[in-house]
Amino acid sequence: GENVEQHPSTLSVQEGDSAVIKCTYSDSASNYFPWYKQELGKRPQLIIDIRSNVGEKKDQRIAVTLNKTAKHFSLHITETQPEDSAVYFCAASIDTNAGKSTFGDGTTLTVKP
Amino acid sequence: EAQVTQNPRYLITVTGKKLTVTCSQNMNHEYMSWYRQDPGLGLRQIYYSMNVEVTDKGDVPEGYKVSRKEKRNFPLILESPSPNQTSLYFCASRTIQGKKTQYFGPGTRLLVL
Repeated sequence: GENVEQHPSTLSVQEGDSAVIKCTYSDSASNYFPWYKQELGKRPQLIIDIRSNVGEKKDQRIAVTLNKTAKHFSLHITETQPEDSAVYFCAASIDTNAGKSTFGDGTTLTVKP
Repeated sequence: EAQVTQNPRYLITVTGKKLTVTCSQNMNHEYMSWYRQDPGLGLRQIYYSMNVEVTDKGDVPEGYKVSRKEKRNFPLILESPSPNQTSLYFCASRTIQGKKTQYFGPGTRLLVL
């Protein structure tokens, strides 16, 4: 089955700096890669996603890049703010199958003011 | 308001006492799924359902049962809970067409003594 590895497990940055979180996946058939943000005590919420026919996607301060050949994808947050502090999860699934979802173990991001 | 609800939100029980955690969505989503979240292990999929009367195992199905008799409901059943099932449980739903955003419920924190 699919295996998703996420790094780093914790990340601390100064407000205004950029943060990058990386995930690798094992199943070359995976073609849908969402990122979720989970604030303390809250439920995970989708912040951005990318499909394998696209190499990069941006939404304001957030971007995701995908390298299908290397089987890795990354979340980039620019101009970080204290409210970006949360746990971030990547996930991988096969879109056409649409059933199984495999998540990374999460990255705890702390943005220091 | 579009939402996924779970009940109960908190539950303390004893080993071997059968329990059910309910999940309901009002978005007419075909797909529903259960995850457990443990520290350092991210979200692990227990079971998922592509539609009524269609269920399948995720990565950690042992000790759990599900049913999908109605489109809106997807209960998680622990026939004989054990302490290693102490965890935070999330239900999620999404459409199987178009955007694959998963909407998560608020979570159920379960303690098995």
